[in-house]
Amino acid sequence: GNSVTQMEGPVTLSEEAFLTINCTYTATGYPSLFWYVQYPGEGLQLLLKATKADDKGSNKGFEATYRKETTSFHLEKGSVQVSDSAVYFCALSDRNTGKLIFGQGTTLQVKP
Amino acid sequence: NAGVTQTPKFQVLKTGQSMTLQCAQDMNHEYMSWYRQDPGMGLRLIHYSVGAGITDQGEVPNGYNVSRSTTEDFPLRLLSAAPSQTSVYFCASSYSGRETSAYNEQFFGPGTRLTVL
Repeated sequence: GNSVTQMEGPVTLSEEAFLTINCTYTATGYPSLFWYVQYPGEGLQLLLKATKADDKGSNKGFEATYRKETTSFHLEKGSVQVSDSAVYFCALSDRNTGKLIFGQGTTLQVKP
Repeated sequence: NAGVTQTPKFQVLKTGQSMTLQCAQDMNHEYMSWYRQDPGMGLRLIHYSVGAGITDQGEVPNGYNVSRSTTEDFPLRLLSAAPSQTSVYFCASSYSGRETSAYNEQFFGPGTRLTVL
């Protein structure tokens, strides 16, 4: 079945450091891929998405590229800020049903 | 627009009690869903609906019921609460649950934190 695997957290970085959060997936067909972010005490918000191979999603300085050959969708940011501290979820959407399958989430803590 | 709203924000139940978590959206979205969030497990789909009058089971449906009598509302019922249902529950909606749904963003409510003693 479909599944998403994220790197274990928590990830602790200093402000302005480079961020990578790894995400790989297993799916039949060609799913859409998403990164959602959850700030403390809030629901999830869409951060970025990609709907086909080689697409790059980007938002708020974050980027991720849909890599079909490696079944990956790693999240990157060149210079993190304290305000980026949150839990990040990688997810795929089943193209037939629209169901979202989530990874377990990665907590990011950015220190000043 | 209020987006997706959920009530209550917090709830404590005793084992065996029943209750309904409310979810409403004002975006005229067809697709609505319920997830539970547990530490280290991400979000797991409980039930979902692709339109009024249509519901289906997700990954972890046991112990929960849903109905969709209107486009706006999608309540989640716990029939006989158990400690294993202690979790944070999120409701989400998106424009369509059909063929274009894979491309559509899901909008999440703020969540309900449920504790079952």
